[in-house]
Amino acid sequence: EPEVTQTPSHQVTQMGQEVILRCVPISNHLYFYWYRQILGQKVEFLVSFYNNEISEKSEIFDDQFSVERPDGSNFTLKIRSTKLEDSAMYFCASSELGSRGTQYFGPGTRLLVL
Amino acid sequence: AQTVTQSQPEMSVQEAETVTLSCTYDTSENNYYLFWYKQPPSRQMILVIRQEAYKQQNATENRFSVNFQKAAKSFSLKISDSQLGDTAMYFCAFMTWASGTYKYIFGTGTRLKVLA
Repeated sequence: EPEVTQTPSHQVTQMGQEVILRCVPISNHLYFYWYRQILGQKVEFLVSFYNNEISEKSEIFDDQFSVERPDGSNFTLKIRSTKLEDSAMYFCASSELGSRGTQYFGPGTRLLVL
Repeated sequence: AQTVTQSQPEMSVQEAETVTLSCTYDTSENNYYLFWYKQPPSRQMILVIRQEAYKQQNATENRFSVNFQKAAKSFSLKISDSQLGDTAMYFCAFMTWASGTYKYIFGTGTRLKVLA
């Protein structure tokens, strides 16, 4: 069964450094998402992406964040200058056109900012 | 603004017993979707069940079923014949759409522990 994959599974970085989190959505899916889950808290929406542009973003998704679909398979989340409070689990999700919204999640990338 | 509330931070159930996890939500929309996701210790989010708001019939998936009360804005999950592998965090999610895309709003989760 096709699934969403994410790399790396864990990332440790120094505060102020740039990180890129990578996701490979399910191949026939057209909608892509990033969510964040700070340890012990609920999953929060960051951004949605469709047709090579951002469809919607939350207040968390400030100028430090960006997303890109550099080729036909990858979907990346970049954090330009990481802060301690960016430490979280980041989930990528995708859904297909006409799926009425069901999103399939990747296994997540655990980001730790020191 | 839409909100999702899960009032039970933690629950436990004996193996083979039945447990119900509660979820309420608030919205002014008439058409929407509701989901339950399971997050085991591996932390991958796994879809358990979904419900379309326009459907009166409650969704079921094997041992998982929902009690959807649209007027009360309630969407509880019932797990029958609980198994040790059901131990996980369970998130209720409300799906809204805007600008031509979908977005989930998650509840704070209920940590379920199935006891042997």
